[in-house]
Amino acid sequence: NAGVTQTPKFRVLKTGQSMTLLCAQDMNHEYMYWYRQDPGMGLRLIHYSVGEGTTAKGEVPDGYNVSRLKKQNFLLGLESAAPSQTSVYFCASSYNRDPGPNQPQHFGDGTRLSIL
Amino acid sequence: GENVEQHPSTLSVQEGDSAVIKCTYSDSASNYFPWYKQELGKRPQLIIDIRSNVGEKKDQRIAVTLNKTAKHFSLHITETQPEDSAVYFCAAGGPYGNNRLAFGKGNQVVVIP
Repeated sequence: NAGVTQTPKFRVLKTGQSMTLLCAQDMNHEYMYWYRQDPGMGLRLIHYSVGEGTTAKGEVPDGYNVSRLKKQNFLLGLESAAPSQTSVYFCASSYNRDPGPNQPQHFGDGTRLSIL
Repeated sequence: GENVEQHPSTLSVQEGDSAVIKCTYSDSASNYFPWYKQELGKRPQLIIDIRSNVGEKKDQRIAVTLNKTAKHFSLHITETQPEDSAVYFCAAGGPYGNNRLAFGKGNQVVVIP
C-alpha cells in the first residue's frame, strides 16, 4: 500500500513550457486535491475532485488545469508555465463519508517545480 | 470562504518545556480541525484532529482544544523533544460535502536541546 504517489519529484521548466504532474492513490479514496506550498503562505488549494470525472476550482486555480479520468489518478497541468508557478506541489486524497464527518487528507511527497 | 490564522509564526522552546500554537477560524459552520506536522523537505503528516462535538482530544504528548464560541483551537505539545522541531499547520473544514480544508500559514517550532 503506497498511499499517495506523486511524479515527478523534481522538475525544471522554461517559461512557456507545459507539463503534467501525476498523482496516484491506492486507498480507493473518492476525494483528491492539489495544493501549492510557497514560503510563508501555507498550503493553498488549486483544484480538487470529489469523484471520477469531476473537478472543481480551489483558492488559486488560475494557470492550472486538472483531470480525473480514473478514480485513482488526478492530473495537474500547466499549459504555459510562468515563474510565479515555481513552488512545491502537493497532492492529497481522502475518503468520502458525506453526509458523515470530514475525513483526514493524506498527502504525497510533493513535486518541487522550478520555472526559469 | 474560511480564513484560518495561526499565531505565533515561530516558536522556540527549551527541550522538556511545553509548546502551544493557537489558530483562529472565521466560518462558524466549520466542524473539523486537523493539525499537520511537516518536517523539512517532507510531506505534511496528520498528527491529531478534533471535531466540533468535543472540546479536547489527547494523544500521548499532544493535545488539541477547541473553543467554538471564540472560534479558536490550539495544539499543545508537552515534554518537547528535538524531534518535535518542525512546521505545524492547522486547518479547518466544513460540512460542504467535499472535505475541503483551509490551512493556516504554519508555525515553525524549534526545540532547543
